[in-house]
Amino acid sequence: DAGVIQSPRHEVTEMGQEVTLRCKPISGHNSLFWYRQTMMRGLELLIYFNNNVPIDDSGMPEDRFSAKMPNASFSTLKIQPSEPRDSAVYFCASSLFGRGTDTQYFGPGTRLTVL
Amino acid sequence: AQTVTQSQPEMSVQEAETVTLSCTYDTSESDYYLFWYKQPPSRQMILVIRQEAYKQQNATENRFSVNFQKAAKSFSLKISDSQLGDAAMYFCAYSPGTGANNLFFGTGTRLTVIP
Repeated sequence: DAGVIQSPRHEVTEMGQEVTLRCKPISGHNSLFWYRQTMMRGLELLIYFNNNVPIDDSGMPEDRFSAKMPNASFSTLKIQPSEPRDSAVYFCASSLFGRGTDTQYFGPGTRLTVL
Repeated sequence: AQTVTQSQPEMSVQEAETVTLSCTYDTSESDYYLFWYKQPPSRQMILVIRQEAYKQQNATENRFSVNFQKAAKSFSLKISDSQLGDAAMYFCAYSPGTGANNLFFGTGTRLTVIP
């Protein structure tokens, strides 16, 4: 069974450009999470979906960030316009029902570099 | 608010020896879940082991075991018979038992295995 799939694996862009990160959760999982990992702040939750509906977006840093989940098998995280401080590794994770008991399975991450 | 603390930024162990990684957490909840994730150089976040707070028995997965001390809010990971492939960043994580299963991560411990 395929795990969580993220694309691209690496993205290099220039400041001001729009960046779109993509995620395909594990089939049958109802919850999807976007995390960001930086040296300064470690791993932090950006947004969490349950049954395609955003439940908690309090971790989204500012209006330049937006996330969507149009269906159960696809989600995007968009940054517009991008800034150098957005450089980080972005992880997508999914779990069965989004309950505390459920294990989250992570994708391989997207390393974003904004020049 | 939930916080997770890993006080050892780096640890090293001789191959075939045993090492223990420390983790403490702060919560007012009685029901929650604790996890150890491994992040090798590939960046992939891999679940190592999980513990339900309501279970007194410590979780074990092959060479990996935990020492869960609920009253002390301590959750250490023991790796026995260390192997070169165990070299990685290890993250302790907490998930509330109710509501959304956000993961709150510690800052990680970098484990080096010496041949």
